[in-house]
Amino acid sequence: DVKVTQSSRYLVKRTGEKVFLECVQDMDHENMFWYRQDPGLGLRLIYFSYDVKMKEKGDIPEGYSVSREKKERFSLILESASTNQTSMYLCASSLSGDTDTQYFGPGTRLTVL
Amino acid sequence: AQSVSQHNHHVILSEAASLELGCNYSYGGTVNLFWYVQYPGQHLQLLLKYFSGDPLVKGIKGFEAEFIKSKFSFNLRKPSVQWSDTAEYFCAVNGDSNYQLIWGAGTKLIIKP
Repeated sequence: DVKVTQSSRYLVKRTGEKVFLECVQDMDHENMFWYRQDPGLGLRLIYFSYDVKMKEKGDIPEGYSVSREKKERFSLILESASTNQTSMYLCASSLSGDTDTQYFGPGTRLTVL
Repeated sequence: AQSVSQHNHHVILSEAASLELGCNYSYGGTVNLFWYVQYPGQHLQLLLKYFSGDPLVKGIKGFEAEFIKSKFSFNLRKPSVQWSDTAEYFCAVNGDSNYQLIWGAGTKLIIKP
């Protein structure tokens, strides 16, 4: 079974703090994704990575950056957290192609005060 | 730009009722289509997917979906729902041979016992 783990289930941070969200997958997948999930908006892609050190912007990259130094790990960074970044953050991975199933982690619910 | 529309944000049914959740997408080329489900407190997981062949796709737990190209639709169906089908259901599409999935806003399904 594919396992995607995220470093925290719940996180509370203050405005202006730098926030790191970590995601690890154990199935040697090429692709990794970061989404945010907000009620009524579905999932919106922040960034994805198709290889180590490679990244592509998604629909809403502003205020976020990512890092993929190792194949199994994909980090999302909020450089200076703001209250409008309060959300559920989901990490996913997929094998390599565009028809491959994405496997999701449990999510991190981030609250920025 | 591609988009995905799920017409019903909330659906409430009694057990044994039949289910159909609508999904329409806007993209004229070749598409890959997915339905994902998120049970309360659990990860998002794949229910079924279509990328070629028979337009009637069967998934897990008795769900099926039909791809109707002329209507740009990929509706999800189940003939008789159970209380355990209570969940949020997301339709997603990708085209342009890229990795990015475009997600619908989701439909929250509540099954009354």
